[in-house]
Amino acid sequence: EDQVTQSPEALRLQEGESSSLNCSYTVSGLRGLFWYRQDPGKGPEFLFTLYSAGEEKEKERLKATLTKKESFLHITAPKPEDSATYLCAVFSGNTGKLIFGQGTTLQVKP
Amino acid sequence: GAGVSQSPSNKVTEKGKDVELRCDPISGHTALYWYRQSLGQGLEFLIYFQGNSAPDKSGLPSDRFSAERTGGSVSTLTIQRTQQEDSAVYLCASSLVPVQGTQYFGPGTRLLVL
Repeated sequence: EDQVTQSPEALRLQEGESSSLNCSYTVSGLRGLFWYRQDPGKGPEFLFTLYSAGEEKEKERLKATLTKKESFLHITAPKPEDSATYLCAVFSGNTGKLIFGQGTTLQVKP
Repeated sequence: GAGVSQSPSNKVTEKGKDVELRCDPISGHTALYWYRQSLGQGLEFLIYFQGNSAPDKSGLPSDRFSAERTGGSVSTLTIQRTQQEDSAVYLCASSLVPVQGTQYFGPGTRLLVL
């Protein structure tokens, strides 16, 4: 059964304190791993897609990496505006449905 | 519009009533997905549309749930005889490329069943 597990569930950082979020996945033939950001009361906002082990993508203070078993979202020198829930998801089956992890809620304090 | 839109943004209903939730995908996106997000359950897939057809309905939790899409655009998710456990945020997403395209989400409809 396809599965996505994210850790930690919650993370508190001081502004400027770099850290990483983990997404472990089990899927029959990875066809895409997605990172989304979700602010309270809003829908998920697309951040990155990764397709193969070794791939990396960056956007501002965020960098996503992928191995054969997991993905990391590295946050460098975070700011309070980076506070949100970060969701990881993979394609499951043949119709493009996404299986999501439970998310990591990040709080960055000034 | 530039993004996926959903209406209403909030809906409060009484147990046993029917509700309709609407999704307007990004213009030109052929694939449309419905998900449900509830506390403790995370985001769960409900149904996938390719054009007006629904090749994957595997996530619909019961026969009280149905959805349709018309003109390859607007989609409506209908919940009949609502129950308290139906309370959740219902999210719609669309993608340009079916099956393997990036899905862009709307703001969601927050449904509360009293």
